[in-house]
Amino acid sequence: AQKVTQAQTEISVVEKEDVTLDCVYETRDTTYYLFWYKQPPSGELVFLIRRNSFDEQNEISGRYSWNFQKSTSSFNFTITASQVVDSAVYFCALSEERDDKIIFGKGTRLHILP
Amino acid sequence: GAVVSQHPSWVICKSGTSVKIECRSLDFQATTMFWYRQFPKQSLMLMATSNEGSKATYEQGVEKDKFLINHASLTLSTLTVTSAHPEDSSFYICSALTGAVEAFFGQGTRLTVV
Repeated sequence: AQKVTQAQTEISVVEKEDVTLDCVYETRDTTYYLFWYKQPPSGELVFLIRRNSFDEQNEISGRYSWNFQKSTSSFNFTITASQVVDSAVYFCALSEERDDKIIFGKGTRLHILP
Repeated sequence: GAVVSQHPSWVICKSGTSVKIECRSLDFQATTMFWYRQFPKQSLMLMATSNEGSKATYEQGVEKDKFLINHASLTLSTLTVTSAHPEDSSFYICSALTGAVEAFFGQGTRLTVV
């Protein structure tokens, strides 16, 4: 069965620091998709990235970057030069091609302190 | 990106009554929609998979007689919480799947049962 583990329940950093959110996944499928979502206090899910299992290239989008390593089943997310507006809960998620269900990790609550 | 609209955004109802939540894909057809529930400070838990024209598939532990799901058209799925009780108070989120393994989420419905 698919599983997503986000070991960091809560992280607090001071503004402008870099922060990395960890995500480890389990799946028996060879074709799968990994996601990161941001959930601000309003509750709405904000899509950040989707990566398929065949694309291990790291991705950078502005201050955000993602490191996908199949060898360690990890898909970590780094925010560079963090800002107060980055404060939110971040979810890592996994979808297997067989049923398309998106299964979420427990989330990491990120506090960026001014 | 595609838009998924969920209605209502919040609802308060009396214990014992039923509440219907709608999930619409506004600019694409979704043969599959998913319903999630999120308790405060917890992750999104998948409740059921809704397929147009067929019965929903419920996750283990979810009462199908309590959470009625109807997916009557390619753009609309509804979740009805029957005989709601305070423990059903939660944040309910739907997502709609496009053909490209791309899931778009509604803005969520905050249900409070008093």
